[in-house]
Amino acid sequence: TQLLEQSPQFLSIQEGENLTVYCNSSSVFSSLQWYRQEPGEGPVLLVTVVTGGEVKKLKRLTFQFGDARKDSSLHITAAQPGDTGLYLCAGANYQGGKLIFGQGTELSVKP
Amino acid sequence: GAVVSQHPSWVICKSGTSVKIECRSLDFQATTMFWYRQFPKQSLMLMATSNEGSKATYEQGVEKDKFLINHASLTLSTLTVTSAHPEDSSFYICSARRQGASEQYFGPGTRLTVT
Repeated sequence: TQLLEQSPQFLSIQEGENLTVYCNSSSVFSSLQWYRQEPGEGPVLLVTVVTGGEVKKLKRLTFQFGDARKDSSLHITAAQPGDTGLYLCAGANYQGGKLIFGQGTELSVKP
Repeated sequence: GAVVSQHPSWVICKSGTSVKIECRSLDFQATTMFWYRQFPKQSLMLMATSNEGSKATYEQGVEKDKFLINHASLTLSTLTVTSAHPEDSSFYICSARRQGASEQYFGPGTRLTVT
């Protein structure tokens, strides 16, 4: 069974601080997606990484896929209250297209 | 775009009744749709995978006779919670995936409350 360990599960920081969320697995994924979810809504896709070592940037968010495609990180620079939400990483299974989700990171950015 | 809608967004029903939730891909054809359940402050739990024109594949521990899934077209999948009980109260989210793609696009979710 493939597992994705996401950490930290809870993070409360002040506006302007930087943070990093990690997703780790012992399994290889064909691709990995990051989602952001607000209360009472569905997850919104932020990015997909597919190549080992790939780095993608989305404004103040930087996503990295590990060289071996077993881990990924999300780094937010100068966090803002609008970044508050649940961040989910999800690895695409080779077989059948199921997504394996991490436990999620509940981020709270205080003004 | 890749827009997925769900209807209703919230529903309250009495114990013992059935509730149907619709999931539609509005601007693309979804060969595969997925149904998830989510508890407060937790990640998504996959319930079943639905392929157009074929029977759904249920995850271990999910009762297929209780959670009926139909994927009759490339843009519509439905989840029917039969004989609902208070413990079925939850946030149900669907997602849709194009053929050959890995990304899933999620609907806004349906809050089900069983009284």
